[in-house]
Amino acid sequence: QVQLVESGGGLVKPGGSLRLSCAASGFTFSDYYVSWIRQAPGKGLEWLSYISNSGTTIYYADSVKGRFTISRDNANHSLFLQMNSLRAEDTAMYYCARDRGWELPEFGIDYWGQGTLVTVSS
Amino acid sequence: QSVLTQPPSASGTPGQRVTISCSGSSSNIGDNYVYWYQQLPGTAPKLLMYKNNQRPSGVPDRFSGSKSGTSASLAISGLRSEDEAVYYCAAWDDSLSGLVFGGGTKLTVL
Repeated sequence: QVQLVESGGGLVKPGGSLRLSCAASGFTFSDYYVSWIRQAPGKGLEWLSYISNSGTTIYYADSVKGRFTISRDNANHSLFLQMNSLRAEDTAMYYCARDRGWELPEFGIDYWGQGTLVTVSS
Repeated sequence: QSVLTQPPSASGTPGQRVTISCSGSSSNIGDNYVYWYQQLPGTAPKLLMYKNNQRPSGVPDRFSGSKSGTSASLAISGLRSEDEAVYYCAAWDDSLSGLVFGGGTKLTVL
């Protein structure tokens, strides 16, 4: 079965950096676009970034463009999110998520990980 | 402020039919598929509907989706206590080149 397991969250000071990882299993990782989506405490869902199956096409939300970098390692079935210049408003649960489209994106998510919590506070 | 607009709350009694709306624009719902997610307390969202009105396997046929122009809706018939959750709509936005979500609708089963 499809599994996405995030790691790397934790407490970080404002201005600091953190690298999130997502380990994928149960499907051919290199066939799918994948994404990062976050949810601030008590708030709604906010899409952050998408990366194509080959890693050559990337999209970012304006709120993180220039501060966050998405990348993937298909050989190790892993997705990453490098987060720099973190702010208090980046405090959220961060979800790794798979696009439903096989080889070509649908730009709709079908599977979500359980999330990793990032807290930005001094 | 979310790009897609949903009512913040909805409610119904067991057995009733409720509908949750999702309003967007020509650059998102008008031109792309709509997806719906159910989020139970303390859990990750779960796909409820894809490509406007398609149910993934395992989702009861009490759930149905529709889209017309720049709006979409999720209908739940035969409401059950376990349907109490927050429901989100989502669609790709061509102008933003990004995925956009509604603000979520908290469904209460009275």
